[in-house]
Amino acid sequence: ETGVTQSPTHLIKTRGQQVTLRCSSQSGHNTVSWYQQALGQGPQFIFQYYREEENGRGNFPPRFSGLQFPNYSSELNVNALELDDSALYLCASSSQRINTEAFFGQGTRLTVV
Amino acid sequence: DAKTTQPPSMDCAEGRAANLPCNHSTISGNEYVYWYRQIHSQGPQYIIHGLKNNETNEMASLIITEDRKSSTLILPHATLRDTAVYYCIGHQGGKLIFGQGTELSVKP
Repeated sequence: ETGVTQSPTHLIKTRGQQVTLRCSSQSGHNTVSWYQQALGQGPQFIFQYYREEENGRGNFPPRFSGLQFPNYSSELNVNALELDDSALYLCASSSQRINTEAFFGQGTRLTVV
Repeated sequence: DAKTTQPPSMDCAEGRAANLPCNHSTISGNEYVYWYRQIHSQGPQYIIHGLKNNETNEMASLIITEDRKSSTLILPHATLRDTAVYYCIGHQGGKLIFGQGTELSVKP
């Protein structure tokens, strides 16, 4: 158990809809990163939040957006869902101290139909 | 961020040491090497990380070559529960760049 919790665990949405995924970070961690993992692939970095601001972004379109709250929990929002958005979405929490490990949640499995 | 190269798959007999290699020839001087593993459909699990010295913890040992162009993760006594995809990752700061990893199968 890492102390990082994600909700929901599974979700089915229709193409064109919007979705919000949630992540509670581990106690003492102020940084949250989101990753997308398609079937058979390694996780791909979406973006990172630190102190409620985006702190780095991967190669994902603007319809992927996020928030971080004062308690360091975070949301990932995806608008105008496409079939290719079907994936496991992972949240990782860490501190901003240099070169510390990140701890992952169990992920949210999103299926877009 | 360094690009890492790992063999796509490896087998290991239960109880034997599993040695998982990784090439990271483009790693920069202050970039750490991290290892994570992912058991099917679960979130990645942190194993170990290091800069230039060999490291050991309760899960594994990490051997980094002197030129830092490659490293080896050692699971000293592999068990069936160690069957997973193992990722070698170089990163600076909080962004982890995952490759395809090595699928380790531990067999009885």
